Amino acid sequence: AQSVAQPEDQVNVAEGNPLTVKCTYSVSGNPYLFWYVQYPNRGLQFLLKYITGDNLVKGSYGFEAEFNKSQTSFHLKKPSALVSDSALYFCAVSLDRGSTLGRLYFGRGTQLTVWP
Amino acid sequence: NAGVTQTPKFRVLKTGQSMTLLCAQDMNHEYMYWYRQDPGMGLRLIHYSVGEGTTAKGEVPDGYNVSRLKKQNFLLGLESAAPSQTSVYFCASSELGYEQFFGPGTRLTVL
Repeated sequence: AQSVAQPEDQVNVAEGNPLTVKCTYSVSGNPYLFWYVQYPNRGLQFLLKYITGDNLVKGSYGFEAEFNKSQTSFHLKKPSALVSDSALYFCAVSLDRGSTLGRLYFGRGTQLTVWP
Repeated sequence: NAGVTQTPKFRVLKTGQSMTLLCAQDMNHEYMYWYRQDPGMGLRLIHYSVGEGTTAKGEVPDGYNVSRLKKQNFLLGLESAAPSQTSVYFCASSELGYEQFFGPGTRLTVL
């Protein structure tokens, strides 16, 4: 069965410092990995994805994520955090085309708080 | 280009009442999804559709029904609402089943 783990419910970081939001996954095939962000009372917004190719992917708002196949991880990073980055972040995994037909499996989310 | 829209934004029901949530997308996407979001649970897939006239069960389908009569619309029905269905409901759509675009959500309270 496919699953995603976000080991930290909360991450707190000072503005200007680098941030990391962790994600590990378990799939029975080739993973497609995604990060989404949710601001209060809003829907989820797509940040970035890994399908294939370069293990370091860059996304919106200066975020990037590194795919590590041996560690089955896809951590979200940003070199310098902003207060406006404070939000709920979700990691999600899908399999390549097949019976699951693009279904996403989400982690439980990590609340990021950036202090001024 | 409105993207994914959901109607209504808020609703309060009494136990046993029924209602339908409407999702509409204007991106001509084949795939559409209904999720529910509960605190500490992430998003859980209720039902999904891979094209007009097709639907399939997701992770938590019990108590819900769906229909996809038109490509741009995906309806989620609650026939007899229960307090356990109090949640925030999100609709999403995608092309080729990958990157999903989400609506703003419907906050449902069942008393």
